[in-house]
Amino acid sequence: AQKVTQAQTEISVVEKEDVTLDCVYETRDTTYYLFWYKQPPSGELVFLIRRNSFDEQNEISGRYSWNFQKSTSSFNFTITASQVVDSAVYFCALSEAESGYALNFGKGTSLLVTP
Amino acid sequence: DTGVSQDPRHKITKRGQNVTFRCDPISEHNRLYWYRQTLGQGPEFLTYFQNEAQLEKSRLLSDRFSAERPKGSFSTLEIQRTEQGDSAMYLCASSAHGRNGYTFGSGTRLTVV
Repeated sequence: AQKVTQAQTEISVVEKEDVTLDCVYETRDTTYYLFWYKQPPSGELVFLIRRNSFDEQNEISGRYSWNFQKSTSSFNFTITASQVVDSAVYFCALSEAESGYALNFGKGTSLLVTP
Repeated sequence: DTGVSQDPRHKITKRGQNVTFRCDPISEHNRLYWYRQTLGQGPEFLTYFQNEAQLEKSRLLSDRFSAERPKGSFSTLEIQRTEQGDSAMYLCASSAHGRNGYTFGSGTRLTVV
């Protein structure tokens, strides 16, 4: 069973629009970690954020913000005032103790920001 | 410290040949992970090491795949008798502790022809 679901396969927005990338996860662990990674066309995986299961505070970093809701098992990512350089594939991932904290990735959302 | 290094960056091999990839993690990281990423998919976990001990292997890791991490430093991933389905990006990541996040290498892109 897919542990991390990113229902949006592709999203296309015009520059300066806000965009939210959805992530829903599934786990039986009470202690787990959630991540977002960015993979630009060059291919490297760039770490964006890590959140543990005990910290439901939303986080903002510049134009990026994350909304973690345990009640709905969601960890959504919003880019405000999108820019062309935000074009990339974004992956949500789950890390659990039962799997040695190996990352379990979703299938990714491809974001295209056009001028 | 230059991050996680993977070698080679690209490998083209004929079907049936053996290939070996190398990963040099961040020196103070005791955990090392291997992932495989095919086109249009997220990375899939293959195996991980804590120091020199291989603690978990995914069912994706068939008996043609073997990984080692001698002395808990660099790691190698070998694929024997390669098949076209093995064509993918092989990613290595290291971590001081799995909970604290991972640093990924740039990957080795394998093409089996």
